[in-house]
Amino acid sequence: DAGVTQSPTHLIKTRGQHVTLRCSPISGHKSVSWYQQVLGQGPQFIFQYYEKEERGRGNFPDRFSARQFPNYSSELNVNALLLGDSALYLCASSLGRGGTAKNIQYFGAGTRLSVL
Amino acid sequence: AQTVTQSQPEMSVQEAETVTLSCTYDTSESDYYLFWYKQPPSRQMILVIRQEAYKQQNATENRFSVNFQKAAKSFSLKISDSQLGDAAMYFCAYRSAGNNDMRFGAGTRLTVKP
Repeated sequence: DAGVTQSPTHLIKTRGQHVTLRCSPISGHKSVSWYQQVLGQGPQFIFQYYEKEERGRGNFPDRFSARQFPNYSSELNVNALLLGDSALYLCASSLGRGGTAKNIQYFGAGTRLSVL
Repeated sequence: AQTVTQSQPEMSVQEAETVTLSCTYDTSESDYYLFWYKQPPSRQMILVIRQEAYKQQNATENRFSVNFQKAAKSFSLKISDSQLGDAAMYFCAYRSAGNNDMRFGAGTRLTVKP
């Protein structure tokens, strides 16, 4: 079975532009979470979506938004890009919403975003 | 808010030897989960081992084991018989029982010397 897939693998944008990152979860997984990993740091939680609804949000500005589609794939959108948005964006999928030890998050290889 | 601290930015171990990576966390919750993830240069985070806070027994997965000290809020990872393929960034992570967002430490870069 395919794991979590993310696209594109990397991209370069300029300040002020908009970007859309995509994630396909493992088959059967209904929850998708997004994380931002700045170079030299651990991932930081951005969003969780479960059954197409936002179930959690980290401390990120409104320029960050996301959605989940009926097939449980997800998009992360970032508007008005800043230099500080340069990071590795990781997507993780899990079976359920949370709350049990079995609800393990499986990560994709990420999208490397560079903002110039 | 829960925080996770990894005080060792870098660690080095000789192949076939044992190494321990440290992690401490801060929380007021009683029910939570702890994880160690490995991130090789390929960037994909791979789950190494997990521990449920309500279980006193330390988790083990083959060459990987943890020392979970709930009162001290400590969660260290021991890698036995280190292999070259163990070289990677290792992240300690905390997750509340009630939700799905994980809090990660800053990571420890492990180098394995042949």
